Amino acid sequence: DTAVSQTPKYLVTQMGNDKSIKCEQNLGHDTMYWYKQDSKKFLKIMFSYNNKELIINETVPNRFSPKSPDKAHLNLHINSLELGDSAVYFCASSLTLAGTGNEKLFFGSGTQLSVL
Amino acid sequence: AQKITQTQPGMFVQEKEAVTLDCTYDTSDPSYGLFWYKQPSSGEMIFLIYQGSYDQQNATEGRYSLNFQKARKSANLVISASQLGDSAMYFCAGNNLFFGTGTRLTVIP
Repeated sequence: DTAVSQTPKYLVTQMGNDKSIKCEQNLGHDTMYWYKQDSKKFLKIMFSYNNKELIINETVPNRFSPKSPDKAHLNLHINSLELGDSAVYFCASSLTLAGTGNEKLFFGSGTQLSVL
Repeated sequence: AQKITQTQPGMFVQEKEAVTLDCTYDTSDPSYGLFWYKQPSSGEMIFLIYQGSYDQQNATEGRYSLNFQKARKSANLVISASQLGDSAMYFCAGNNLFFGTGTRLTVIP
């Protein structure tokens, strides 16, 4: 069983479109995250949810909207896609909120988003 | 907020040798955790090792160990007996929220 699964693995779309990436974890963790890894491999946190509540919301354009229907799911919806949104998006989860202890992250396999 | 700095964009090591990957951090928090992750060419992110700011001893996990020097604000990863499968990107992270720019390690046969 995959611990953190995200779909799709690849997403190719045109500028201006709206797309969603789904993430699910079966680890019973309270906290889920979205990270963006750019073409230079720099990894930056975007959002964090703890028990369906938004905890971390870094400086991210309003076009990005996370949604957590329950603590096992954290989806990422992106409106009006731009060329600069092309990146790998990683979902992750941890038992408790990052920064509160030694809880390691379990990552999904990533979604390669290409905006043409 | 924390800042994580990895100054080595790339490193080479001979198979079976040890290698140290550098990481320095900058934080005003008295309590923090430092993590290392490995990203092979396949793209997944794999947790390697953790060091808490109050831990008295350096962390070890198999062939991975952390050279934690609090006064220098450094948490360097040491990989002993390098294997070809160790070739990957390695990221240092502070509290799992702030990541360094990574070091690409290449193990030479």
